[in-house]
Amino acid sequence: DVKVTQSSRYLVKRTGEKVFLECVQDMDHENMFWYRQDPGLGLRLIYFSYDVKMKEKGDIPEGYSVSREKKERFSLILESASTNQTSMYLCASSLIRRSNQPQHFGDGTRLSIL
Amino acid sequence: SQQGEEDPQALSIQEGENATMNCSYKTSINNLQWYRQNSGRGLVHLILIRSNEREKHSGRLRVTLDTSKKSSSLLITASRAADTASYFCATNAGNMLTFGGGTRLMVKP
Repeated sequence: DVKVTQSSRYLVKRTGEKVFLECVQDMDHENMFWYRQDPGLGLRLIYFSYDVKMKEKGDIPEGYSVSREKKERFSLILESASTNQTSMYLCASSLIRRSNQPQHFGDGTRLSIL
Repeated sequence: SQQGEEDPQALSIQEGENATMNCSYKTSINNLQWYRQNSGRGLVHLILIRSNEREKHSGRLRVTLDTSKKSSSLLITASRAADTASYFCATNAGNMLTFGGGTRLMVKP
C-alpha cells in the first residue's frame, strides 16, 4: 500500500514564525499536493508538483511556498505564519500525470497559529 | 473554488439501512471520484467513475453518474457503524481534483 507520511499530527506555532510542514511518500509517485481543510469549505488546493523542483499554484497559494528537492518529499512553507492559517493541512500523492489517478492522502497536520 | 457540492451535509441512519449521498458539479469532467475521511484522519479513495460510465459497483458501494444533470450519487448498502465518516466527491477536469464540502454520515448501532 502507498504510504504518505506527514511529519507532525499536531503543531502549534506563533504569529510571524516560519513554519515547515513535511510530507514523504514511499511509492515513487510523480505528483504531490498540499491542501488545507476548513469546516464548511472542504479541501482547497494550495500547491502541487509534478516533478522534482517543479511547482504550480493551486487555488489559494498566497502566504505559502513549497519545495520539492527530492521526488519523495514535498514541503509546505508558511513564510510568516498568521492566525488565518490555522487549519488542517493534508498532503497527497498520485502516480503519474494523468487525470484518472486516485490520490493517496497522509493523516494530516493540525496546525494552530497563536 | 468548489466544483462539487454534496447533499445532504449531514445524514444520520440506523445500522442496516442504506445511505445515499449526492454530488452536483458545474463544469464538464473527465471523471468523478468519491473519498471517505474518518475523524481526524486523511482521505481514502473509494471509487472512480469515468465520464462515459453511468454506474459502478465496489462491494457495498454503488456510484452513479449523470453527466446531463452534472450529478453523481453514492449509495452505501446495509450500512455499519464503521461506515461513520465524512464522504467527499471530487471532480477531475484536467490534472487537478476539486473537492466538495462533504457529507457527514453517522450510522447508529
